[in-house]
Amino acid sequence: DAGVTQSPTHLIKTRGQHVTLRCSPISGHKSVSWYQQVLGQGPQFIFQYYEKEERGRGNFPDRFSARQFPNYSSELNVNALLLGDSALYLCASSPRTDNQPQHFGDGTRLSIL
Amino acid sequence: RKEVEQDPGPFNVPEGATVAFNCTYSNSASQSFFWYRQDCRKEPKLLMSVYSSGNEDGRFTAQLNRASQYISLLIRDSKLSDSATYLCVVKEGNNDMRFGAGTRLTVKP
Repeated sequence: DAGVTQSPTHLIKTRGQHVTLRCSPISGHKSVSWYQQVLGQGPQFIFQYYEKEERGRGNFPDRFSARQFPNYSSELNVNALLLGDSALYLCASSPRTDNQPQHFGDGTRLSIL
Repeated sequence: RKEVEQDPGPFNVPEGATVAFNCTYSNSASQSFFWYRQDCRKEPKLLMSVYSSGNEDGRFTAQLNRASQYISLLIRDSKLSDSATYLCVVKEGNNDMRFGAGTRLTVKP
């Protein structure tokens, strides 16, 4: 069975541009979460979606947005990119929003020039 | 105060050593706890869940002390392949997972 898949794997953008990152959860998983991980830090929570509704939002500016589609895949959008947005963006899925652990995709490594 | 705090290390140990990592969390309402392992430039992977009664998986033992809001991970008979960053994770019921900054372990021959 396929795990969590993310695309693209790597991306280079310049300041002020916009980016869309994509995630497909494990089959049967309805909850998708997005995290940002900068070098030397643990992942920081950005969004959680369940059944196409936003269930949680971390401390990130409004430049960050996301959505979940009927097939439970998800997109993370970031507008007006800043140098500080350079990071590994991780998507994680779980069957529900309960106490079960989440399973991560390989991530998208975003570099802002 | 950070929500989840870990000793950043690094821990450099010889093969066969026993090493312990500690983690504290600030939210007493936290309900579930995990240890993840992250190799360099890879995604975090679930190592084990942590239960109140303590649990063991081969060479790995996890403990939880809810009164002290403290989690630990013990690795016995360290292998070279155990070299990685170990992330302490706390989940508040239906909410997102909160990660510590990670503890880096290097096991040397």
